Amino acid sequence: EVQLVQSGAEVKKPGESLKISCKGSGYSFTSYWIGWVRQMPGKGLEWMGIIYPGDSDTRYSPSFQGQVTISADKSISTAYLQWSSLKASDTAMYYCVRQPAMVLPGYFDYWGQGTLVTVSS
Amino acid sequence: DIQMTQSPSTLSASVGDRVTITCRASQSISSWLAWYQQKPGKAPKLLIYKASSLESGVPSRFSGSGSGTEFTLTISSLQPDDFATYYCQQYNSPWTFGQGTKVEIK
Repeated sequence: EVQLVQSGAEVKKPGESLKISCKGSGYSFTSYWIGWVRQMPGKGLEWMGIIYPGDSDTRYSPSFQGQVTISADKSISTAYLQWSSLKASDTAMYYCVRQPAMVLPGYFDYWGQGTLVTVSS
Repeated sequence: DIQMTQSPSTLSASVGDRVTITCRASQSISSWLAWYQQKPGKAPKLLIYKASSLESGVPSRFSGSGSGTEFTLTISSLQPDDFATYYCQQYNSPWTFGQGTKVEIK
């Protein structure tokens, strides 16, 4: 069974750093793109970026380029989303997603359960 | 960027109703469109990909149609489990989502 299991909720202060994770199982982790999607409170879905764990090829949405860093450790089948300096506006639910197609872009067939990030002083 | 516009934003319907949600793209995306269902507090779930292909395990009352710039998601007979928010997503260049359509109980 394919699963994407994300790390737990985080509460941080503005200016702090954070790295959240997404562990894939039930499939060949290095053969599928893993992306990240943001959902701000009461709002819609926004694509942030995507990585191919096989060779770490990474693409970012222009809206998020330079704001976050996406990485992956294929030895433990885990993708990461990190911030170096959080802002209150980063408060949101973050989902990792799997793209089943080799060629970008594609649809997302599996979603993690989400990680809620709250940034507040 | 390709903009996706869904209508309506909210839809009130009863169990058994036929429901149609529309999604329009700001430029042609061929058939590179997916539909997702999201329930409160849960992650979105894939329903339809490539405009009309039903994801495995999704009930056949869900169907998708369209190409180019206009697409529809139809629920043939609304069930209690279908009250949720629905999002379209284009994956032609690269990814954008519609703003969502909330299907409420009438």
